[in-house]
Amino acid sequence: EAQVTQNPRYLITVTGKKLTVTCSQNMNHEYMSWYRQDPGLGLRQIYYSMNVEVTDKGDVPEGYKVSRKEKRNFPLILESPSPNQTSLYFCASSARLAGGNSEQYFGPGTRLTVT
Amino acid sequence: KNEVEQSPQNLTAQEGEFITINCSYSVGISALHWLQQHPGGGIVSLFMLSSGKKKHGRLIATINIQEKHSSLHITASHPRDSAVYICAVRWNTGNQFYFGTGTSLTVIP
Repeated sequence: EAQVTQNPRYLITVTGKKLTVTCSQNMNHEYMSWYRQDPGLGLRQIYYSMNVEVTDKGDVPEGYKVSRKEKRNFPLILESPSPNQTSLYFCASSARLAGGNSEQYFGPGTRLTVT
Repeated sequence: KNEVEQSPQNLTAQEGEFITINCSYSVGISALHWLQQHPGGGIVSLFMLSSGKKKHGRLIATINIQEKHSSLHITASHPRDSAVYICAVRWNTGNQFYFGTGTSLTVIP
């Protein structure tokens, strides 16, 4: 089954404790992206990757890191989480972006609370 | 400043009604996406448009590139259509996506 998986689905952590949210897709998609969703602000793009070893900042990259060492995986790293990073996070992938457009497939979301 | 505007923010309809949700954006785009998010959070892509009109079942999406406007129509609405509908655009100058804040639709039996 074609899917985007994220882990963990729920996480409560404390300020400053490094964490990683994993994202994996099994569709051989080139484009992958991370978004956060906050009430009243909607979805905002954190980072995206056009392909392996190619990543770029989105609208709200501060406090986050990503890596794309393999095509299927795109982990989101919070080196020192703060309460303002409490949010619902989505990973998404699509077949291509360069030279065209494809629909995005979203993961189930990760609800992160930083206390 | 949010350059993708959706209206209305909230919408309540009786089952069977025809529904329209609007999305306006400020600059040229390479693609516009309509997404559906059910309570519980999962997001599904409904349509991707760069011109014209697309139809899938009771859902129709249109886009007017000159007017920088798109509409999502639901014919013969049903309670299972209750969800948040989100418009997303990719500007034609880059690879980022920008989102409207969503339209919360409730369809009453």
